[in-house]
Amino acid sequence: QQQVKQSPQSLIVQKGGISIINCAYENTAFDYFPWYQQFPGKGPALLIAIRPDVSEKKEGRFTISFNKSAKQFSLHIMDSQPGDSATYFCAASRGSSNTGKLIFGQGTTLQVKP
Amino acid sequence: NAGVTQTPKFQVLKTGQSMTLQCAQDMNHNSMYWYRQDPGMGLRLIYYSASEGTTDKGEVPNGYNVSRLNKREFSLRLESAAPSQTSVYFCASSEYGPGYEQYFGPGTRLTVT
Repeated sequence: QQQVKQSPQSLIVQKGGISIINCAYENTAFDYFPWYQQFPGKGPALLIAIRPDVSEKKEGRFTISFNKSAKQFSLHIMDSQPGDSATYFCAASRGSSNTGKLIFGQGTTLQVKP
Repeated sequence: NAGVTQTPKFQVLKTGQSMTLQCAQDMNHNSMYWYRQDPGMGLRLIYYSASEGTTDKGEVPNGYNVSRLNKREFSLRLESAAPSQTSVYFCASSEYGPGYEQYFGPGTRLTVT
């Protein structure tokens, strides 16, 4: 079953615009929510992550917003650049468990037009 | 540091053939993972190893076996390949469990004809 649902599947944004990718999860036991970035032909790499004790985390142009009651979290990319063109995956896990599993969303392909 | 390395990078198999995908990490991480990536499906966990000597099934373990040879190495074996196993396979490692950053290898693109 798909426990983490991600939308949209693809996104086209103009340079300088804001890119927004949304994820929804089902399991209320999840307590670790990372976002991974993947460039073509490469493995994914951690971009930013949040735990549910905060509602927002910002690192440079990248921000995670977290809504625990709605079981939703989103990635905002401010001032989007062509170099941000990649596939983005949200994920969720019971991070406090050593034997839990990281469940990924379906992925969003972002294209930033110059 | 090489990070996470995978071999081979590409492989073509005929239905019924077997092969082993190799993965090694040099970060002294305790946990290692095997994922497959298919279009529109994201990354799905096949097997993981929380520590040396332990392995456990993920979401899609059927048709695969794994071996945690030592702390550095975690291999994935396809005993009798099927076209449904055509995919890109990624190995990853993390210092501890899934609440820690996972470092991914470059992937193996496998085609089964």
